[in-house]
This record gives sequence, structure tokens and C-alpha cells, in this order.
Amino acid sequence: QSVLAQSPSASGTPGQRVTISCSGDRSNIGTHAVNWYQHLPGTAPKLLIYSNTQRPSGVPERFSGSKSGTSASLAISGLQSEDEADYYCATWDASLNGWVFGGGTKLTVL
Amino acid sequence: QLQLQESGPGLVKPSQTLSLTCSVSGASITDGRYFWTWFRQPAGKGLEWIGRFFISESTTYNPSLKSRVTISIDTSRNQFSLRLSSVTAADTAIYFCAREGPDGRYPWQYYMDVWGKGTTVTVSS
Repeated sequence: QSVLAQSPSASGTPGQRVTISCSGDRSNIGTHAVNWYQHLPGTAPKLLIYSNTQRPSGVPERFSGSKSGTSASLAISGLQSEDEADYYCATWDASLNGWVFGGGTKLTVL
Repeated sequence: QLQLQESGPGLVKPSQTLSLTCSVSGASITDGRYFWTWFRQPAGKGLEWIGRFFISESTTYNPSLKSRVTISIDTSRNQFSLRLSSVTAADTAIYFCAREGPDGRYPWQYYMDVWGKGTTVTVSS
């Protein structure tokens, strides 16, 4: 069982806005920044959001991140078929003294 | 362009030692700004942090694996390696290596910016 809680699945139609949530506690999300990754099986996970809200160069503006208290969210607006993938949240955990992840949310574009 | 590539045996027998290598191109593993890290993902499960190496600090491991894990580096080949001893079927997973770097605005905050594609390791007799 993953330390961070994510809904196992989410879906939307092209053009819609979808939000993926990630919940933790004071030892992880409550005190450390959250990063988000997009992963397709057989490929390298791709950094989408770092430090809660920052987009690396090359990541479209329709991907955005936020954090409040012990929860974080990834929003994808203008959903596209190529967004169909698994999405993971990650943060540092002070109790573990290491990285922890959500169990992943499988996004389906209907 | 930074690239990481995992390599190693795809099949390991129970009780034996799993050995994997991460080859790094486009950056030096001796760069004091970055950690070099291993993760794994069992089938149908989430990602698990295994441990990380930093050139000027001691290596840090996941406490649940610490007694069985060693991460080492080969600066001449610009590679870092993972050894996991006494493996069982529970160690069957896709193993990833990644680089951790600091946020330029907040250097105490780190994130994994580049990952390898992963390599599948099955523990079976």
C-alpha cells in the first residue's frame, strides 16, 4: 500500500478538465514539495510538475499543480488523447527519510 | 541531453543477488549538485524508493531494504550500480534509475528530473 493516496482511475473526454488528487500527512506533503510524473508502460517516467506548481521546460501550460495542507492536485485542462497515461505524485517523507509515491492514477480519455 | 539506461540480468534465482547498472550520458555522476537514485515498481503496484547516492555524502537507503541493498558508483564509466542480496519473489519488479536535482529557486527542494526506461527483473527458480 502506497504512502500517498491517489484515486486509482480518472477519465474525461477530449477538451475537458480533469483533476487528480494526492493525499498524505504532515511528515510528507505537509512539509515537503510535491512532484508529479506521467508514465506510460515501457517508457521513462516524465516529470510534469515540480515544487508543487512549477512546470519544466517543454511541459504544456494545460498541466498545472497545486498544494494545500497535506493534499496536492494535478489538473489537466483541454484533455487530449495523448494524455492517457498513469500519473504519480511524489514527495519526500521525513519519517522514512526517503521518497514516497502515490499508487498512481490511470487516466483514460474517452 | 541527459540519458540514463538500466541494464542487468532479467532473471535472478531466489536467495541470489540482483545486480543492476545505470549508465549515465550527458552528465557526470560526480557533479556535486545531484543525487543518483534507484526505484522499483512491482507489477500492479506503485513506485518504491530503494536508495540514493550523493558524491559528497554517504548513501541513503530505504529502511525496509537497507540490510540487503548496496549502491555504488564507477566514476571511470560514469555508472552507478544497485546490488540487492537474498532476493525473493517479492523483489520481482521493474527497476528504474533517476537523477535528483535541486529546484533552482529553493535549493533545499529536490525532484527527480530524468529517469531511465526501467529494466524488468524476475526472481524465479
